[in-house]
Amino acid sequence: GAGVSQSPSNKVTEKGKDVELRCDPISGHTALYWYRQSLGQGLEFLIYFQGNSAPDKSGLPSDRFSAERTGGSVSTLTIQRTQQEDSAVYLCASSLVEGSYEQYFGPGTRLTVT
Amino acid sequence: AQTVTQSQPEMSVQEAETVTLSCTYDTSESDYYLFWYKQPPSRQMILVIRQEAYKQQNATENRFSVNFQKAAKSFSLKISDSQLGDAAMYFCAYRSLGAGSYQLTFGKGTKLSVIP
Repeated sequence: GAGVSQSPSNKVTEKGKDVELRCDPISGHTALYWYRQSLGQGLEFLIYFQGNSAPDKSGLPSDRFSAERTGGSVSTLTIQRTQQEDSAVYLCASSLVEGSYEQYFGPGTRLTVT
Repeated sequence: AQTVTQSQPEMSVQEAETVTLSCTYDTSESDYYLFWYKQPPSRQMILVIRQEAYKQQNATENRFSVNFQKAAKSFSLKISDSQLGDAAMYFCAYRSLGAGSYQLTFGKGTKLSVIP
């Protein structure tokens, strides 16, 4: 079946602009995670959604970052007033249920802020 | 909070040889999962192997095996008979079993090169 997909694959934006990154999880997966991978760093947790429960936003680095998940499926990560330090690869993952040990990752969106 | 440390930013191995990647972690929990993920240049994170902390037996998946030392909080990955396709970034990751704590905590990765 189809895996996790993310769009766009690459995004170049000017400092101060807003960007939206999209994630389509595997069909039927109820848990969805966003991670950020900065150059030379491991993955850093940002936010996760489980079904209709309130999302865990504890990893969001600032109030410029927000995310939503519509209809329990597609998720959008929005970064407002982008800064150069926001340049990174943003990875999305989904799992069948919240406690599933395996998270399936998408190919990521590489964001470059100039 | 849990932390994961990978002390080897880069490693290399000759094709067909064996290589071991190191990982240590810090936690106060007694039950948890540990993982090794592979990230090739395509950026797709691929689960290589997992270990449940309550299991004493080390996990094995074909040419990949781990050496899990719970008391020492060490979780190394051994790759046997290395192949060119094994070249990638490898990340060690920790996951709590506590409700609402299912996100992964990653190390900074080890870049593995395979020499033909």
